[in-house]
Amino acid sequence: NAGVTQTPKFQVLKTGQSMTLQCAQDMNHEYMSWYRQDPGMGLRLIHYSVGAGITDQGEVPNGYNVSRSTTEDFPLRLLSAAPSQTSVYFCASRHLAYQETQYFGPGTRLLVL
Amino acid sequence: GDSVTQMEGPVTLSEEAFLTINCTYTATGYPSLFWYVQYPGEGLQLLLKATKADDKGSNKGFEATYRKETTSFHLEKGSVQVSDSAVYFCALSLNQAGTALIFGKGTTLSVSS
Repeated sequence: NAGVTQTPKFQVLKTGQSMTLQCAQDMNHEYMSWYRQDPGMGLRLIHYSVGAGITDQGEVPNGYNVSRSTTEDFPLRLLSAAPSQTSVYFCASRHLAYQETQYFGPGTRLLVL
Repeated sequence: GDSVTQMEGPVTLSEEAFLTINCTYTATGYPSLFWYVQYPGEGLQLLLKATKADDKGSNKGFEATYRKETTSFHLEKGSVQVSDSAVYFCALSLNQAGTALIFGKGTTLSVSS
């Protein structure tokens, strides 16, 4: 049971480049989400999904796309990276009921030059 | 809207000192409340949770009581250790399945020997 895994751990991009941050979980969780963590801002929700084929926007969705073709995977795509997207990105998952504990991946540190 | 407010950090303590990190919330309905901890270079881990008023969550010597009358969920520990140095996040989950966690901005705790 690996929990929530994220790749890569660290990435440097140039402005305008695209990339996909990978997230996978092996706990059969229906709910998956992406957060970004910035100094003094806490964690802000980017996108989330309540099941395969269903996604929705969070607090800061602009510049990011997601899809959920399987229960296990929830990739986050940056279509055209900007310096403002320099951040640490965390993927999380849990069972759907609101009281359930949310499990976090180890994070991806992204630097956009 | 729904929100979580934590005391500003950093909090600097000596080993064996008493710790309190204040957390208050604003929410419609009756949320579940959580404390997460983030050790340096790692993702967030659940520390404790409480799902209804007057519940006390506890783990690793940390405690927090869900106080509906004061809309608070303050984190306490009687005797901190150097290994407790981390960032602590208070969060709430609204009483609807599939909704996201709402986080406070985090409080950095530094414990010296």
